[in-house]
Formats: sequence, structure tokens, C-alpha cells
Amino acid sequence: GENVGLHLPTLSVQEGDNSIINCAYSNSASDYFIWYKQESGKGPQFIIDIRSNMDKRQGQRVTVLLNKTVKHLSLQIAATQPGDSAVYFCALHGSSNTGKLIFGQGTTLQVKP
Amino acid sequence: DAMVIQNPRYQVTQFGKPVTLSCSQTLNHNVMYWYQQKSSQAPKLLFHYYDKDFNNEADTPDNFQSRRPNTSFCFLDIRSPGLGDAAMYLCATSRGAGTGGEAFFGQGTRLTVV
Repeated sequence: GENVGLHLPTLSVQEGDNSIINCAYSNSASDYFIWYKQESGKGPQFIIDIRSNMDKRQGQRVTVLLNKTVKHLSLQIAATQPGDSAVYFCALHGSSNTGKLIFGQGTTLQVKP
Repeated sequence: DAMVIQNPRYQVTQFGKPVTLSCSQTLNHNVMYWYQQKSSQAPKLLFHYYDKDFNNEADTPDNFQSRRPNTSFCFLDIRSPGLGDAAMYLCATSRGAGTGGEAFFGQGTRLTVV
């Protein structure tokens, strides 16, 4: 199957601290992983992605780590800001070649000023 | 400029009355998706098209249908909406699995069933 899960439903951090959001998946054939941010009333917004031939990818203030051995994905946000408050989802392409994209359950990030 | 456009943003329909939600894209992407998202839950994939090939999820109710008349447009038809179908419906597009690429989402249509 292509189950995707998140470890924590809510993460609360102090402004300026680093945030780490985790995701576990079950399908070892998955080759493409994406993190999305969703603000209230809006569609999910792309943050960063990573392919299975990589174990780390960095963007602006964000880093995604992929551990294929334990099927674990994490999103690290440096110097978390109030504007980072949102729900974060990991998503992955399924094992088919049709572009199927499934989502994990989401972590709500709350940033305290 | 919006690349994935969903209309309307808010839709109110009566119980049992057929309703159609629309999605259009300017990205010329191969794949178009429809997701259902209820409060405090992840988007749940209903179905997706790879070009003209329709891929239905096993647990998508028969009440939900989709049409993709051309590359740019995709419709979600709910034949007999029930109260449990009230949700946010999200349309997305991507280049597809082969070339990868993230999915781009519209702003969603919030469906209310009365």
C-alpha cells in the first residue's frame, strides 16, 4: 500500500527556533516526495521536494531529509516565523506511473511570538 | 496570475441535487487531480487523469464522477450530494510521475449541502 503518516498532529515552537516535522511512509517504491504548506481556507502550497536518489535537499530556510532505510521524511524550518504557522503535509507519488499523489495526515505548526 | 483556477470558490447545493465543480489550468500539465478535504484532515484523492486516462481510487463513492474534455479543463460531478459530501474540493495539476514535478493546487471550492 501507499500509506503516509505523520508523527505529531500539532507542533508548537517559539519564534526564531527551528522546527522539525516528521513523516513516515510505507511504500518503498515511492520515488518522489513533496512537502506542502496549507494556510486556512487556501489550497496546499509547494514548499520543497526530494527524489529518492537524494537524502537531503535545501531551500530557503527549509531542508528536507529522506531516510529510505526506515522510510522516513522530515522537514526542517530554520528560524521559524509567525508566517510559518500553517498545516504541513508530506505527500508522495504512488508506485504507479500515472502521477498519483497521496497525502499524509498533516501537522499543525503553531509559532509563538 | 492564477495557474489552477477553481470555480466557484463557494458552492451551496441542496441535498440530492446534482452539482458540478470546475477546474481549469494554464500550465498544460498532463495530470489533473481532484481531492476532497474535510476539516482538520488531509486531502483525500478521489481520482486523477493522466492525459485522457482516468484513474479512480477504490474507495471513491460512485456518487462522484469526473470529466476531462480537454487538457485545460476538468470537472467534478456529484450526482446526489449528501450531507457527508460537504467539504473543500481541491483541484491540482502536475507534469506527471515520469518527469516528476510538484502538483499545483487551486484555491479550492467549499461545498455546503443543505
